[in-house]
Amino acid sequence: SQQGEEDPQALSIQEGENATMNCSYKTSINNLQWYRQNSGRGLVHLILIRSNEREKHSGRLRVTLDTSKKSSSLLITASRAADTASYFCATGPKGGSEKLVFGKGTKLTVNP
Amino acid sequence: EAQVTQNPRYLITVTGKKLTVTCSQNMNHEYMSWYRQDPGLGLRQIYYSMNVEVTDKGDVPEGYKVSRKEKRNFPLILESPSPNQTSLYFCASSSAGAGKETQYFGPGTRLLVL
Repeated sequence: SQQGEEDPQALSIQEGENATMNCSYKTSINNLQWYRQNSGRGLVHLILIRSNEREKHSGRLRVTLDTSKKSSSLLITASRAADTASYFCATGPKGGSEKLVFGKGTKLTVNP
Repeated sequence: EAQVTQNPRYLITVTGKKLTVTCSQNMNHEYMSWYRQDPGLGLRQIYYSMNVEVTDKGDVPEGYKVSRKEKRNFPLILESPSPNQTSLYFCASSSAGAGKETQYFGPGTRLLVL
């Protein structure tokens, strides 16, 4: 069952611009994670934010979480062509299970 | 190097011919999982395993089997593949417990069933 839903489905920007992707989910969560996938390759973990956190940073990445709205956003600042990839949010359910439920992803294209 | 490996990476087969996709991790992770990825549908979990000899169905288990006889290995078995199992398959693993929920993914196995 799909839990996270990313928005937009596709995003095209110029190098140097910021990219913002959103994720909405339906049920209570323990944590929310963002993953990146280069075309046809394995997913790579970017960042994890727990349900009691509101914001987290990692390099050029900034993630926010609003549990009252059941939503999260991923901001990539000063984007580069190498950031071109699909980005997925994944939710870890309340109760602490390792099971993750992934959304369908946002396909980001950064034009040089 | 910590990694999840999958074999084969690419496979073309015919309907009904049993196949196994292997998955191995060298991180001593308890949790392992199989996903399939299809255009427009994202990643869907097929089966997962919390530890040796403990497996459970995910969201789309029909037509698949798994086993977990050793901690490092989690093979995916298609007893009688059908064309609707043509997909990109990923194995993933993680440690158990709070603070260790990050999943590590293998490179993927692209399967075509004719």
